[in-house]
This record gives sequence, structure tokens and C-alpha cells, in this order.
Amino acid sequence: AQTVTQSQPEMSVQEAETVTLSCTYDTSESNYYLFWYKQPPSRQMILVIRQEAYKQQNATENRFSVNFQKAAKSFSLKISDSQLGDTAMYFCAFTEYSGGGADGLTFGKGTHLIIQP
Amino acid sequence: GAVVSQHPSWVICKSGTSVKIECRSLDFQATTMFWYRQFPKQSLMLMATSNEGSKATYEQGVEKDKFLINHASLTLSTLTVTSAHPEDSSFYICSASDGPSNQPQHFGDGTRLSIL
Repeated sequence: AQTVTQSQPEMSVQEAETVTLSCTYDTSESNYYLFWYKQPPSRQMILVIRQEAYKQQNATENRFSVNFQKAAKSFSLKISDSQLGDTAMYFCAFTEYSGGGADGLTFGKGTHLIIQP
Repeated sequence: GAVVSQHPSWVICKSGTSVKIECRSLDFQATTMFWYRQFPKQSLMLMATSNEGSKATYEQGVEKDKFLINHASLTLSTLTVTSAHPEDSSFYICSASDGPSNQPQHFGDGTRLSIL
């Protein structure tokens, strides 16, 4: 079974700073997908960024980027120029590629990120 | 695009009653829908996967007779919590997908279920 570990329960940084959230995972699969989701107090799940395991290039979405280290099974999220609206729970998630339809996500326990003004 | 509507957003009911939660994909056809459960300040746990027209696949430890899932159309899945008890109180979130695993799942806004 796959597991996803987020070792930082809570982080706090000043506005405009850069912050990195860590995530490691364990799987025996060679083809899979990784995601970072944001859950603000409204509890809506918002996709931040995704990465296909077969792609070596790290994904980037505006201020958000990942450092994907497949051999180390590490998938960290970097948020640059952090904003107050980035305050939320951040979940790292994993799903394997089954060759058919979609599969369910395995989530880490989350990191509560607080951006201080 | 890719909007998923979940209803109701909050329900309070007495112990022993059954509660139905609906998950609708409004602007796309969801070949697969997922149901997750989230306890306060905890992560999301996958409960079951449902494909349109097929029986749901439940994760280990999830009682299929307690949590009835129906996915009768490409735009609607329902989760019925039968004979609900206080320990079933939780936040339930659905998601829907119209493609393979590399495509992001689209989440509903969740349902807060409180059993008195």
C-alpha cells in the first residue's frame, strides 16, 4: 500500500517570504502521479500543482513549484513570495496509474501553513 | 468549468436516521466518483470508488452496508449513511473524474454531518 508522509504539522512565515513544504511517499509502483492540494478554512479542496512521475522536469505554476526527487521519493512544494491568501492546510497526495480510469488519492496528514502579515 | 456540486453542505440529524448526500458533476460527465471522509484537523481518507453503472469498490475497513453508494448516472453519485450514529459524524467530501489518474479530481465543497 502507498503511504504519504508530511512531517511538518504546522509552519509559519512572514508575508513575501519563500516557504518549502516537505512530502515523502512510499510505493512500489513505477508510474504514478503526485499532487499538492490546498484546503482553506472553507474546506474546499483546491489543486495547487501536479507532477507525473515519468517526467523529470519539475512542475511549476506561477509562485508554486515542486522539487520532485523520484529516487528519494520526495515531492516538496515551494511557495515563493507568499501571500496572506496562501494561509491554509496543504495536503500532498498520491495516485497510481492503473491504465484505466482514475484511482483514488492517498493523502498525507497535511501541513497547516500560516502566512503572517 | 469542472464544477462539482455537493448537497447538503451541513446536516444535523438524530441517531438512527439515514442521511443521503448527493454529488453532482455540473458541466462534465464523471466516469468515476470518489467519496472521502475527513475527521477534524485530520487528512482525507478514501472511503470508496464508484464507476457509473457498477457497484462501488470500498476501501478496507469501510462498512459497505453502513455507507451505501449509488452511481446511477454520469453526473450523480449518492452516499447514504444508514442508521447513523454519533461516531459517523464527520466531514464527507466527494470528487469526480472524467479521465485517467493523471487528470486532477474535481472536489465538491463537502458535507458536514452531525449526528446527535
